[in-house]
Amino acid sequence: SQTIHQWPATLVQPVGSPLSLECTVEGTSNPNLYWYRQAAGRGLQLLFYSVGIGQISSEVPQNLSASRPQDRQFILSSKKLLLSDSGFYLCAWNGQGNSPLHFGNGTRLTVT
Amino acid sequence: AQKVTQAQTEISVVEKEDVTLDCVYETRDTTYYLFWYKQPPSGELVFLIRRNSFDEQNEISGRYSWNFQKSTSSFNFTITASQVVDSAVYFCALSLTYDEKLTFGTGTRLTIIP
Repeated sequence: SQTIHQWPATLVQPVGSPLSLECTVEGTSNPNLYWYRQAAGRGLQLLFYSVGIGQISSEVPQNLSASRPQDRQFILSSKKLLLSDSGFYLCAWNGQGNSPLHFGNGTRLTVT
Repeated sequence: AQKVTQAQTEISVVEKEDVTLDCVYETRDTTYYLFWYKQPPSGELVFLIRRNSFDEQNEISGRYSWNFQKSTSSFNFTITASQVVDSAVYFCALSLTYDEKLTFGTGTRLTIIP
């Protein structure tokens, strides 16, 4: 069966520090991969999605970047965090044919 | 561009009452998919249902039921005989056939009072 792993679960980082959140999927090949952010009291905002290795689409201009170095690995990064980067970050995957998204457990990021 | 609106930000009901969560969507495409997800306090999102735009049959799964009406662009979710474990944030979402991305509503926080 397919599983998605996301880490760390919580992270507290000072403003200006770098960020690296990792997400891996097991049990499937060539998944679509997504990074969503959920700010406090708000809905889910799609940040990045990827349909294949090295293929990244950015949905909103921001301080973050994403990379997909391997088929089932998706990384969210920042060189210098801002206070506004605080939030709950969710990685997700799905297959073809508008199949449902399957989410990781999320990373709660607090930038201080 | 597509849009999903969940006008109810928060709902509280007493246990065993029925509750309906509203979802209204906008899209110019004739073929699309609609979803509901549950986010319990632990944070992860749990998939509940997917419907395509050609299937307007209502669906029932235990205490959960969904009412899809294209005429009003709505995909409402009803929980019958609510339980405390139903307390969560519920998200409605939409995707297009040529685009795997989901557009989410802002969610409805449901609290079941024991």
